[in-house]
Amino acid sequence: KAGVTQTPRYLIKTRGQQVTLSCSPISGHRSVSWYQQTPGQGLQFLFEYFSETQRNKGNFPGRFSGRQFSNSRSEMNVSTLELGDSALYLCASSSGLAGINYLSVTADTQYFGPGTRLTVL
Amino acid sequence: EDKVVQSPLSLVVHEGDTVTLNCSYEVTNFRSLLWYKQEKKAPTFLFMLTSSGIEKKSGRLSSILDKKELFSILNITATQTGDSAVYLCAVEARQATDSWGKLQFGAGTQVVVTP
Repeated sequence: KAGVTQTPRYLIKTRGQQVTLSCSPISGHRSVSWYQQTPGQGLQFLFEYFSETQRNKGNFPGRFSGRQFSNSRSEMNVSTLELGDSALYLCASSSGLAGINYLSVTADTQYFGPGTRLTVL
Repeated sequence: EDKVVQSPLSLVVHEGDTVTLNCSYEVTNFRSLLWYKQEKKAPTFLFMLTSSGIEKKSGRLSSILDKKELFSILNITATQTGDSAVYLCAVEARQATDSWGKLQFGAGTQVVVTP
């Protein structure tokens, strides 16, 4: 099976611009989670989408948004970029079924993509 | 507030040594604890632990969970330079309004294995 893919891999933007990142999950996976990783804050959860619906949300401002398409591919958008948004953005895919069925928990491991390195100048 | 704390933050060992990494947590509605290895880029999955006292093993790596004392350890025996990485611990927990599937990560332990 192909792994999780993310595009683009690197991005340079300036303050005030907006950016859209894309994530294609492992075939058959219906859940996509997004994380932001910075040296100071580590890996922080942004949000999770399952079957085109946002199921979980972290503590990020409304400038961070996302969506999921019927083929489970997901996009994340950051508007009005700030210098502090410079980070590695990782998406992770899982079956998502453990969110519904507790008994599936061991099958619901999250697998990460290679990330998109965003630099805001 | 939920928290996941890893220790030590970093360590340097010689090839062949054994290392033990610690992860303690305080979360509501715990369901699973995961270990990941992160080298240059994406974290790669190592273990998922859901039950106390059951050791998971993969080659030279092993991990165990203690749900009473709220911690997990990751052991690496006969370390090699390829084990140099950041090891991340993550806990899957849920707030009342959430669904499962939300991971909270510790800060990670940087392991450097010298030849």
